[in-house]
Amino acid sequence: GDSVTQMEGPVTLSEEAFLTINCTYTATGYPSLFWYVQYPGEGLQLLLKATKADDKGSNKGFEATYRKETTSFHLEKGSVQVSDSAVYFCALRWGGSEKLVFGKGTKLTVNP
Amino acid sequence: DVKVTQSSRYLVKRTGEKVFLECVQDMDHENMFWYRQDPGLGLRLIYFSYDVKMKEKGDIPEGYSVSREKKERFSLILESASTNQTSMYLCASSFPGLSSYEQYFGPGTRLTVT
Repeated sequence: GDSVTQMEGPVTLSEEAFLTINCTYTATGYPSLFWYVQYPGEGLQLLLKATKADDKGSNKGFEATYRKETTSFHLEKGSVQVSDSAVYFCALRWGGSEKLVFGKGTKLTVNP
Repeated sequence: DVKVTQSSRYLVKRTGEKVFLECVQDMDHENMFWYRQDPGLGLRLIYFSYDVKMKEKGDIPEGYSVSREKKERFSLILESASTNQTSMYLCASSFPGLSSYEQYFGPGTRLTVT
């Protein structure tokens, strides 16, 4: 079945460091791909999305590109801030389903 | 502003109790979801509802049931709570169809079963 694999955390970075969180997927067809973020004590919220191959999603300085050839959707940010400390979830949605399939999440801590 | 609310942020119940977790959304969404979140396991779908009185089992429905009598409200029921149901429970909602991608999440209910 469809699945999402994320790099295991936790990830600890200093402020202004470069961030990459790897995400690969297994799915039939061409799913839509998402990154959700969960700040401490809150529910998840959509960070960015891409709906077809080579699309780039971006928001709040974060970017991810839908790579069909490597079945990947890696999250990147050039300069992280303390306020980016959160848990990040990669997810996919196959076109024929209303449901999301989530990765296990990666906890990011950014130190000043 | 879109809003999904859950009845409790923290809940402590005893083994064998019947537990109700309530979720309300104010966005007129057809779809509603219940997930549980556990460290190292991510989010797992318990149940999904695509309309009033309609439901579909998710990946881990055992030990749970749901009720959707009104469009805005989706309840998760633990018929007889057990310690392995100690977890964070997240509710979400969305519009149906290919053009609606985002699920909106509530803040979660942290349930402890002792």
